[in-house]
Amino acid sequence: GEDVEQSLFLSVREGDSSVINCTYTDSSSTYLYWYKQEPGAGLQLLTYIFSNMDMKQDQRLTVLLNKKDKHLSLRIADTQTGDSAIYFCAETFTGGGNKLTFGTGTQLKVEL
Amino acid sequence: DVKVTQSSRYLVKRTGEKVFLECVQDMDHENMFWYRQDPGLGLRLIYFSYDVKMKEKGDIPEGYSVSREKKERFSLILESASTNQTSMYLCASSSGEQPQHFGDGTRLSIL
Repeated sequence: GEDVEQSLFLSVREGDSSVINCTYTDSSSTYLYWYKQEPGAGLQLLTYIFSNMDMKQDQRLTVLLNKKDKHLSLRIADTQTGDSAIYFCAETFTGGGNKLTFGTGTQLKVEL
Repeated sequence: DVKVTQSSRYLVKRTGEKVFLECVQDMDHENMFWYRQDPGLGLRLIYFSYDVKMKEKGDIPEGYSVSREKKERFSLILESASTNQTSMYLCASSSGEQPQHFGDGTRLSIL
């Protein structure tokens, strides 16, 4: 079945870039997503990329997709304390309708 | 903006009770989903629905059921609550292949 993996924790200094990584096993992925969850809140869609794209940039966010290695990353430029949250990658896949398979989430801590 | 509303942010119930979690969306989305979130496990799909009166089992449906009598409302039911169902429950909705939008979650404690 589908499997999506992320490291559990990442700590960066304010102003540095953060890179959150994700690997997935399903070669029939259609879309790949990044969601952000702040403490006590639901999930907020940050960005998503179609599986035949390599890169997508949206202001401070850059998504890179290496389809050969099944590796997805989210780069946050000029990381701020307000970026502290849990970040989830997720995928939909061919034949799966609109069902999402989530990674375990990466807790990003931004230090002053 | 899409609005997905979950009826309670926090809920405390007792073992054996029948528990209803309600979710309403205001964007006429045909797809609705229920997940539970546990530390270190991410989000796991319990049940989903692609249309009124339609339901499909997700990855962890045991101990749960759902109801979708109206397009905007998707209810999750714990038939006889147990302590291992203490968790954060998240509802989401979407249209077609568009991204899912999430509610704020219900933190459920079963004592």
